[in-house]
Amino acid sequence: DAKTTQPPSMDCAEGRAANLPCNHSTISGNEYVYWYRQIHSQGPQYIIHGLKNNETNEMASLIITEDRKSSTLILPHATLRDTAVYYCIVRFDQGGSEKLVFGKGTKLTVNP
Amino acid sequence: DAGVIQSPRHEVTEMGQEVTLRCKPISGHNSLFWYRQTMMRGLELLIYFNNNVPIDDSGMPEDRFSAKMPNASFSTLKIQPSEPRDSAVYFCASGRLAGVREQFFGPGTRLTVL
Repeated sequence: DAKTTQPPSMDCAEGRAANLPCNHSTISGNEYVYWYRQIHSQGPQYIIHGLKNNETNEMASLIITEDRKSSTLILPHATLRDTAVYYCIVRFDQGGSEKLVFGKGTKLTVNP
Repeated sequence: DAGVIQSPRHEVTEMGQEVTLRCKPISGHNSLFWYRQTMMRGLELLIYFNNNVPIDDSGMPEDRFSAKMPNASFSTLKIQPSEPRDSAVYFCASGRLAGVREQFFGPGTRLTVL
């Protein structure tokens, strides 16, 4: 079962920042937080991941709280092409465990 | 790189027929994953391979499903006999065992069993 809780849907205005929350209160010390998104009819796409520190790449920023029980994915300037389902996943990255367990995700709609 | 390649992209078959889905992972990747997505159950991991060896097949629904990876560049998922409830989009993904454990997904195969 997925170990994360996300709101089922969110809306954002084009050009504004989209902040997608995720709760993972049972996360263990060795588990990473991963974010993927799935644009309609396509395969999921990796966005970003982190363990403790905040992370940023060309797609997004990931803010993880100090207690690691929640995180926020930030799309700084959302575009219409960012409309997708966003999945927050916790995963153990050692010992060969490669599983990604997808929950229901958050459907983000970016409006013009 | 062409990315993960899946074939066919669409498959329509009748109940009881054998269905074979194919996947070519990204060259150099040593992990391969098969997922199934339906409206009711979402995205589920069926099985994954590391270095062509099946590691976890606990997600395979029943004996009608089987997966093979005869070499590093090819994998199949077979359903025999197929049933209407197998209708779904099947995704293949590949990744590396070292470094960032990002999974790259293919475009999927939409299977319809009548």
